[in-house]
Amino acid sequence: AQSVTQLGSHVSVSEGALVLLRCNYSSSVPPYLFWYVQYPNQGLQLLLKYTSAATLVKGINDFEAEFKKSETSFHLTKPSAHMSDAAEYFCAVSVWETSGSRLTFGEGTQLTVNP
Amino acid sequence: DAGITQSPRHKVTETGTPVTLRCHQTENHRYMYWYRQDPGHGLRLIHYSYGVKDTDKGEVSDGYSVSRSKTEDFLLTLESATSSQTSVYFCAISDRANSPLHFGNGTRLTVT
Repeated sequence: AQSVTQLGSHVSVSEGALVLLRCNYSSSVPPYLFWYVQYPNQGLQLLLKYTSAATLVKGINDFEAEFKKSETSFHLTKPSAHMSDAAEYFCAVSVWETSGSRLTFGEGTQLTVNP
Repeated sequence: DAGITQSPRHKVTETGTPVTLRCHQTENHRYMYWYRQDPGHGLRLIHYSYGVKDTDKGEVSDGYSVSRSKTEDFLLTLESATSSQTSVYFCAISDRANSPLHFGNGTRLTVT
């Protein structure tokens, strides 16, 4: 069965520093992978998605993620953190069912950006 | 934002009472989902729908039922609410398999 593990429930960085949020997946078939962001009291917004077209995926707000099959990883990075990046981030894998597909989410990583 | 409206946005109810949450979409998307979000658990799938009157269970479906009589509406019912169902509930939609989900703004449910 497909699953996702996010390493680190809380990550803290300084403004301007590199952001690295870790995600490892388990899938018996080539996966579809996603990163979402959630700001307080809001729903989830899509940051980026991997659908096998390219291993380095660029998303919104200068975020990007690299799919590494050998490491079963899909880590999210951003070169320079902004205060506005403070939020909770979720990695997700698409699970195929006979009735369609559904997303399975990791437990989330809360990102704090310090001035 | 995708046209998804969840109602109510907040609800407080007592243990043992029935509760229905509504998700309404204006995107004509085929797939609709109900998730619950709890600290330390991320989002967990309750039920989903792959068409009108076509639904299936997710990983935490016990105590919940759903109905979809129209493309645009997906209802989640707690037949007899329990304190363990206190949570934030999110509806999501997508237009095809393996596509990203678009989320509503959530319903915060408190069962006392």
